[in-house]
Amino acid sequence: DVKVTQSSRYLVKRTGEKVFLECVQDMDHENMFWYRQDPGLGLRLIYFSYDVKMKEKGDIPEGYSVSREKKERFSLILESASTNQTSMYLCASRHSQDTQYFGPGTRLTVL
Amino acid sequence: DQQVKQNSPSLSVQEGRISILNCDYTNSMFDYFLWYKKYPAEGPTFLISISSIKDKNEDGRFTVFLNKSAKHLSLHIVPSQPGDSAVYFCAASSGGYQKVTFGTGTKLQVIP
Repeated sequence: DVKVTQSSRYLVKRTGEKVFLECVQDMDHENMFWYRQDPGLGLRLIYFSYDVKMKEKGDIPEGYSVSREKKERFSLILESASTNQTSMYLCASRHSQDTQYFGPGTRLTVL
Repeated sequence: DQQVKQNSPSLSVQEGRISILNCDYTNSMFDYFLWYKKYPAEGPTFLISISSIKDKNEDGRFTVFLNKSAKHLSLHIVPSQPGDSAVYFCAASSGGYQKVTFGTGTKLQVIP
């Protein structure tokens, strides 16, 4: 069965902290994605990766960076968390133009 | 610039009736369209897709229609069931390794 896991379901951090969100998939997919979901704005793409060590900026990359050292793992990094980064973060993976499989999401609150 | 738009934030339908969710796009390079369903506190799950070479795709109670000239697609759910109550996202992409752009979502409530 297809599986995308995210390291935490809920996370609370302080302004200025460095935050790591981890995503792991077990499907040997080339592509991985990070989105944030906010009310009225839908899912907005932050970054995506089409292969190991490759990354592309999405629509809202400011304030974020990513790392993909291994095929199965895609990390989202908030270098210095701010309150406007409070959101639901969703990771997804896919093979080529196949459908995306999403993780359960991480609800991040920045105080 | 919102390239994929879902203009109805919410929709209420009686159980057994048809639900029609609409989606408009502006980028003529999009050639693959998908619908996802999302329950609260869960990630979105894939529902149905359609390639731009088709104008209709059906899977059980779910049918997606694509009108390329109008840059419009719609999802029909017949008959609607209470378990269909969720947020539905329309998404589009161009090419196999390109990013996927999502709409803002429509919250469907199916009333028993």
